[in-house]
Amino acid sequence: AQKVTQAQTEISVVEKEDVTLDCVYETRDTTYYLFWYKQPPSGELVFLIRRNSFDEQNEISGRYSWNFQKSTSSFNFTITASQVVDSAVYFCALSEYTSGSRLTFGEGTQLTVNP
Amino acid sequence: GAVVSQHPSRVICKSGTSVKIECRSLDFQATTMFWYRQFPKQSLMLMATSNEGSKATYEQGVEKDKFLINHASLTLSTLTVTSAHPEDSSFYICSARDTGPGEQFFGPGTRLTVL
Repeated sequence: AQKVTQAQTEISVVEKEDVTLDCVYETRDTTYYLFWYKQPPSGELVFLIRRNSFDEQNEISGRYSWNFQKSTSSFNFTITASQVVDSAVYFCALSEYTSGSRLTFGEGTQLTVNP
Repeated sequence: GAVVSQHPSRVICKSGTSVKIECRSLDFQATTMFWYRQFPKQSLMLMATSNEGSKATYEQGVEKDKFLINHASLTLSTLTVTSAHPEDSSFYICSARDTGPGEQFFGPGTRLTVL
């Protein structure tokens, strides 16, 4: 069975600080996909990244970066120089290849960036 | 990117009435659509998976007679909440998958309030 754990329920930072959101997953499949989504107060999910299990390269996209480590089953997300507009709930999710794209979401981390 | 729409975006109804929510893929054919429910300050929980032309597969604990899902075409799936009660008040989100593995596109969500 697949499981995603986001241990940080809420994080509060001051603008321009760097912040890392943790994500730990469990799966028995060797082929799987990991995702991060942002959910602003409007509720609409915003896709941030998808990673497959065979690609452990870290990725950077502007102020966002992701650290995928299979050895620790983690897929952490870092926002550099945070901004007020980054305030949202962030979800990590997992999809096993054998599950037909069924997504299992973590509990989410509420990030608040204060001016 | 692929666009998924939901209608209505918000609905308020009286207890005992039925409510239909539509999910459409606007620029691609969705062989599979997923329905999620999200209670306030909680994560998204998968309710059911619907494949075009066949019966939906419901997750454990989801009443199939209460949450009727129809996926009559490759671009439209509907969720009908029958005899809605206040405890059904929630944010309902659909997603659609094209032929690519692990790729889902989310609708903007429908906020249901049952009085």
